[in-house]
Amino acid sequence: GESVGLHLPTLSVQEGDNSIINCAYSNSASDYFIWYKQESGKGPQFIIDIRSNMDKRQGQRVTVLLNKTVKHLSLQIAATQPGDSAVYFCAEIFAGKSTFGDGTTLTVKP
Amino acid sequence: DAGVIQSPRHEVTEMGQEVTLRCKPISGHNSLFWYRQTMMRGLELLIYFNNNVPIDDSGMPEDRFSAKMPNASFSTLKIQPSEPRDSAVYFCASSLSDTDTQYFGPGTRLTVL
Repeated sequence: GESVGLHLPTLSVQEGDNSIINCAYSNSASDYFIWYKQESGKGPQFIIDIRSNMDKRQGQRVTVLLNKTVKHLSLQIAATQPGDSAVYFCAEIFAGKSTFGDGTTLTVKP
Repeated sequence: DAGVIQSPRHEVTEMGQEVTLRCKPISGHNSLFWYRQTMMRGLELLIYFNNNVPIDDSGMPEDRFSAKMPNASFSTLKIQPSEPRDSAVYFCASSLSDTDTQYFGPGTRLTVL
């Protein structure tokens, strides 16, 4: 029979453009959020995090925005590069337990 | 810093066999997590430990799965007996505490025939 798997959202951008990856989380009590990047054949790698008492945090080329009203998290990548191609996961943490989103596949076209 | 170390990197076994996956967390980290990743269900938390004590094993699929952490530098995830539906990539991660950033190992790709 036909197998059914997760249908990951995909985002395709041109090199040099900005990328925005979105994530909806489920638990309004979650107090810590992390974005991870997973390249093919590797484990998830930390990119940036944000606590629930903040609504924006910036890193090097990356910015995370948190909207607790609608339980929405976004990751902005400035000047996207081919090396940014990967699957990106958001994770919400509550009481020590992490719940990961399904992931978004980012493809950067040179 | 060696990061989280997992072994083996690949495991192929036959249905019914026992499988043991191993993890060495980052030195000084007090929390250790076991995850399973499949195309069907994505990344799932199986169990996590704080200071070598299992805190939440609600993600462990069934009694065939067990995990131990005999000391701060070593953990095992055992499947006995293994089944084809256990085929997945199993990740171990560690963090300073269970509310801190987790650092993932390279994973063990398990294939059960």
